[in-house]
Amino acid sequence: NAGVTQTPKFQVLKTGQSMTLQCAQDMNHEYMSWYRQDPGMGLRLIHYSVGAGITDQGEVPNGYNVSRSTTEDFPLRLLSAAPSQTSVYFCASKTQVYGYTFGSGTRLTVV
Amino acid sequence: EDKVVQSPLSLVVHEGDTVTLNCSYEVTNFRSLLWYKQEKKAPTFLFMLTSSGIEKKSGRLSSILDKKELFSILNITATQTGDSAIYLCAPLEGNQFYFGTGTSLTVIP
Repeated sequence: NAGVTQTPKFQVLKTGQSMTLQCAQDMNHEYMSWYRQDPGMGLRLIHYSVGAGITDQGEVPNGYNVSRSTTEDFPLRLLSAAPSQTSVYFCASKTQVYGYTFGSGTRLTVV
Repeated sequence: EDKVVQSPLSLVVHEGDTVTLNCSYEVTNFRSLLWYKQEKKAPTFLFMLTSSGIEKKSGRLSSILDKKELFSILNITATQTGDSAIYLCAPLEGNQFYFGTGTSLTVIP
């Protein structure tokens, strides 16, 4: 049981490049979400999914796409990276009632 | 307007001190409130509070919720350097958690 696995741990992108942050969980959680964490801003919700085939926007969705083809995987796509997307990204999953299990995070720098 | 306000933003104490961290929130359809501890990496779960006035304890940490006044506190007694971290609270509104910016606690020997 690995919990929530995020890859990569670190990434540097040039402005305009695209990439996908991977997130997988093996706990059969229906709910998964992506957060970004910036200094002084706390954790802000980007997108979330309440089950396979269902996604929705959070507080800061612009510039990011998600899909949920399986219960286990919830990738986050940056189509055209911008310096404002430099941040630490966390994927998390949870049960309906209890709290989150977080991945270890991806530190993304866009230059 | 922020849904969650944590105070203080940062705190520096000496080992052995007792600290109280505050979390006030303003959410509709409130279901529960969670506290997390974040060190170098991902937040780790501390407490989930659903009922007012019932204290949850785990070792030197305890927390309580006031649903009428819309706040929660996290107490840490006899602090240790290993308690140094950012402490996040997150009320659950409907199906969404909203995180505060956190309180950064530094415990010096």
